[in-house]
Amino acid sequence: EPEVTQTPSHQVTQMGQEVILRCVPISNHLYFYWYRQILGQKVEFLVSFYNNEISEKSEIFDDQFSVERPDGSNFTLKIRSTKLEDSAMYFCASSELTGELFFGEGSRLTVL
Amino acid sequence: AQSVTQLDSHVSVSEGTPVLLRCNYSSSYSPSLFWYVQHPNKGLQLLLKYTSAATLVKGINGFEAEFKKSETSFHLTKPSAHMSDAAEYFCVFDWGSASKIIFGSGTRLSIRP
Repeated sequence: EPEVTQTPSHQVTQMGQEVILRCVPISNHLYFYWYRQILGQKVEFLVSFYNNEISEKSEIFDDQFSVERPDGSNFTLKIRSTKLEDSAMYFCASSELTGELFFGEGSRLTVL
Repeated sequence: AQSVTQLDSHVSVSEGTPVLLRCNYSSSYSPSLFWYVQHPNKGLQLLLKYTSAATLVKGINGFEAEFKKSETSFHLTKPSAHMSDAAEYFCVFDWGSASKIIFGSGTRLSIRP
């Protein structure tokens, strides 16, 4: 069964460092998303991506965040200079059209 | 403004007894509706979805949910709980775009032997 895969499963970094979280969406899907879940809080939308550009983004997705689909298979989330409050579980998702999202297992980011 | 409320942060039931996880939404029109489950250290797995074909939706692992427009509810049920059902459950509403996919705060389901 096709699935969304994310790497790394857990990353620990120092405050101020750059982090790249990687995702391989399901191959025939056209829409890609990042969500995050701070420990004990709701899952929050960060950004959606379609046709090689951002289609929507939330207030959380400020200038320190960027997304890219560098090679037609990977979909990456870059955090330029991490802050303590960026510690969270980051979920990648993809969908064929709009509607049902298929989520990866998440990448846990811990910023020290 | 649209919102989704999961009424219980934690539900504990005995194995073999029914499960009820409650979810209500607030909106002037009907969204698309989903329930996702998150097992410890795992991703979000789709349990079931409502797409207006039928108000009673059957999902995986014996779960089902009923959409009641008059009550703006989409409660998740299962007749008989199993130990493997212990997880976090999220009610999710889609009002038509990625930024309008709103997650409830989650309900942690514990199963007593």
